[in-house]
Amino acid sequence: QVQLQQWGAGLLKPSETLSLTCIVYGGSFSGYYWSWIRQPPGKGLEWIGKINHSGSTNYNPSLKSRVTLSVDTSKNQFSLKLSSVIAADTAVYYCARTEPYSYYYMDVWGKGTTVTVSS
Amino acid sequence: EIVLTQSPGTLSLSPGERATLSCRASQSVSSNYLAWYQHKPGLATRLLIFGASRRATGIPDRFSGSGSETDFTLTITRLEPEDFAVYYCQQYGGSPLITFGQGTRLEIK
Repeated sequence: QVQLQQWGAGLLKPSETLSLTCIVYGGSFSGYYWSWIRQPPGKGLEWIGKINHSGSTNYNPSLKSRVTLSVDTSKNQFSLKLSSVIAADTAVYYCARTEPYSYYYMDVWGKGTTVTVSS
Repeated sequence: EIVLTQSPGTLSLSPGERATLSCRASQSVSSNYLAWYQHKPGLATRLLIFGASRRATGIPDRFSGSGSETDFTLTITRLEPEDFAVYYCQQYGGSPLITFGQGTRLEIK
């Protein structure tokens, strides 16, 4: 059974860089895209971007200038960096496996990491 | 951007009743690219439906999806206590590639 475990700093000051990592247990790492999604308090889900095992990425244009996704295939891990954070980046951040061929659904999710940006 | 609008925002029903959740897209969405999820606080989000009408692995047959182009529906027949949660629709295509609806909260009446 595939599981995603995510971690990273939960409290940041404005202008700092958010850094989260997600590790994939079980299943294929190379056969999927790997996405990051966030949910600000009281709001809906926002897709941040996705990456595959070779480092090919797609980003949400609204965040593209501040987001960097990376992979470490030797560890079955992928990571998110969001620079110059502001209070509006406060959210629960999720990692998710994304089907890459025909449907582009997200069938395995991490449990989420709460990130708070506050001075 | 393809905007997904879910209705109602909150749905109050009793166990055993039928739930009908709507997801309306601002532009036509390929049926292949419409999915539904169940979200409960503290738990991993669960894929229910993909390709508009295909049940994901392990999803009970009381969950069904239908629709095409701009109008999609998630139906839950005979609600069980564990079905009360927040439900999201999601589409792939356009820019940004992936967008979600704002969610429908299904609560116990």
